[in-house]
Amino acid sequence: GENVEQHPSTLSVQEGDSAVIKCTYSDSASNYFPWYKQELGKRPQLIIDIRSNVGEKKDQRIAVTLNKTAKHFSLHITETQPEDSAVYFCAALNTGTASKLTFGTGTRLQVTL
Amino acid sequence: GAVVSQHPSWVICKSGTSVKIECRSLDFQATTMFWYRQFPKQSLMLMATSNEGSKATYEQGVEKDKFLINHASLTLSTLTVTSAHPEDSSFYICSGQLARDTQYFGPGTRLTVL
Repeated sequence: GENVEQHPSTLSVQEGDSAVIKCTYSDSASNYFPWYKQELGKRPQLIIDIRSNVGEKKDQRIAVTLNKTAKHFSLHITETQPEDSAVYFCAALNTGTASKLTFGTGTRLQVTL
Repeated sequence: GAVVSQHPSWVICKSGTSVKIECRSLDFQATTMFWYRQFPKQSLMLMATSNEGSKATYEQGVEKDKFLINHASLTLSTLTVTSAHPEDSSFYICSGQLARDTQYFGPGTRLTVL
């Protein structure tokens, strides 16, 4: 089955700096890669996703890049703000064979003033 | 986006009792719903896939007789934790599948077993 690794487990940045979270996946057939933000005690919320036919996608301060050859994808947050502090999870899915998301282990992002 | 609700949002029960958690898709029909468990400071772990009108598919290591799943309609799936014990205390989250690659998560249910 699919295995998703995520690094780092914790990340502390100063407000205004950029944050990068990286994930690798094992199943080359995976073709959908969402990123979720989860605040303490709340549900995961989809913040951005990318499909395997695209190398990069951007939505305001958030961007995701995908390298299919290397089987890794990254989340980039620019101009970080205190409200970006949360746990971020990457995930991978093969839409052709299954609908089960495989989640990474999570990154706790702390944006300090 | 689509909305998924869960009830209750939290529950405290005594060891040995059973607890039922409901997951509802409010504005869409979810043929498939998923149940996850999340321990503190850990990732979401898929417990089972719930398909309307058929038996749930459980992940390896999840006891189907302990975690009973019923998906009797296109908008409701229930998870019953039978004979709950303190080690079952966790955050249980469901999701409804809208499209092949799109899941909408419920707000979660925090279960505490004394």
